[in-house]
Amino acid sequence: GEDVEQSLFLSVREGDSSVINCTYTDSSSTYLYWYKQEPGAGLQLLTYIFSNMDMKQDQRLTVLLNKKDKHLSLRIADTQTGDSAIYFCAEVPPSGYALNFGKGTSLLVTP
Amino acid sequence: DAGVIQSPRHEVTEMGQEVTLRCKPISGHDYLFWYRQTMMRGLELLIYFNNNVPIDDSGMPEDRFSAKMPNASFSTLKIQPSEPRDSAVYFCASSLDSRGYTFGSGTRLTVV
Repeated sequence: GEDVEQSLFLSVREGDSSVINCTYTDSSSTYLYWYKQEPGAGLQLLTYIFSNMDMKQDQRLTVLLNKKDKHLSLRIADTQTGDSAIYFCAEVPPSGYALNFGKGTSLLVTP
Repeated sequence: DAGVIQSPRHEVTEMGQEVTLRCKPISGHDYLFWYRQTMMRGLELLIYFNNNVPIDDSGMPEDRFSAKMPNASFSTLKIQPSEPRDSAVYFCASSLDSRGYTFGSGTRLTVV
């Protein structure tokens, strides 16, 4: 089947903004998600967006959704070293109920 | 709420041995998922249950893998016999609806 695509690595300086991009597979997906995974830990839900929304903001996080291009992005403002982690984009296709994940983007924040 | 609880956190076993991973979902959640994470393949869905009934097990690698959910508060994933290529982190997750999938901390399995 098709894959959820993400770039593998991103490096930013502390205080800058980070933008992590994702292309998902099914334009009918109802919810789209961003998860964060720190080393040796499980997956933590950061935020999600419903497909009838174009944008969602939650403190330092901004999610943008372009349904036409099946493109999802996560912007982290004022990135901190504690934001260094792997970020996963995920969708729930209308054909099922399970999350379909991308391979993850490893974010490195340097001082 | 204690979240999704998985045990053990780490498991090291010899090839050919049986391995059982355990999961306690969040109370009231009616969906339970088992995922496997490896560097090469990322996060793969193995199987999921709804109201204790397996709905999609197409991700289960082969007959050596089996999963059960005898009641709403407990699930197991069993590998028999285990092989080195089964080494991975296995995650359990539960959800009530599409807005809230909660993951456990995972079981890191090493088969030597």
